[in-house]
Amino acid sequence: GAGVSQSPRYKVAKRGQDVALRCDPISGHVSLFWYQQALGQGPEFLTYFQNEAQLDKSGLPSDRFFAERPEGSVSTLKIQRTQQEDSAVYLCASSLVTGGVLNEQFFGPGTRLTVL
Amino acid sequence: QQQVKQSPQSLIVQKGGISIINCAYENTAFDYFPWYQQFPGKGPALLIAIRPDVSEKKEGRFTISFNKSAKQFSLHIMDSQPGDSATYFCAASLLYGGATNKLIFGTGTLLAVQP
Repeated sequence: GAGVSQSPRYKVAKRGQDVALRCDPISGHVSLFWYQQALGQGPEFLTYFQNEAQLDKSGLPSDRFFAERPEGSVSTLKIQRTQQEDSAVYLCASSLVTGGVLNEQFFGPGTRLTVL
Repeated sequence: QQQVKQSPQSLIVQKGGISIINCAYENTAFDYFPWYQQFPGKGPALLIAIRPDVSEKKEGRFTISFNKSAKQFSLHIMDSQPGDSATYFCAASLLYGGATNKLIFGTGTLLAVQP
């Protein structure tokens, strides 16, 4: 079946613009994660959803970052008033369940955000 | 206490050789240690994972060695091939008892296998 898809794949924004990044998880996956991957670094956790509930947003770097998953499937990560330090690849991952041996996280290809 | 430290930053290995990447963690509550492989322009993909109740896990050419007392684990790639050239990330997580199961990643190792 289809994997995790993300759109757009590339986004260029001028400093101060708002952006919205979309994630389509694998159908039926309960858990959805957003990670931020800076150039040459490992992914860093941003936020986590279990169905439509945002259970952990401890990794969101500022109140300019907002994520939602209103119907428990597609998720959107929104960044308001983008800054140059927001430039990174934003990865979405989904897993079938929360916890346990079936919690392998499947990653999408990411959205590369460049803020000029 | 949430960090995972990974070394080396980059690695060059001849075809047929053994690639070894090391990681160390601090949080003794972690109970799941996966390795991810990432090709340019792609998202990370799970390669192999281990839980702390075993000291070694082998899948094909890939082996994880785990030392619970030292809080260290490593990935060994036997008979390395040019197609293995990628960035490898170790990670740690709470599989049970945590609400998030978020992955804490190392900084990555860029592996180049020369033909």
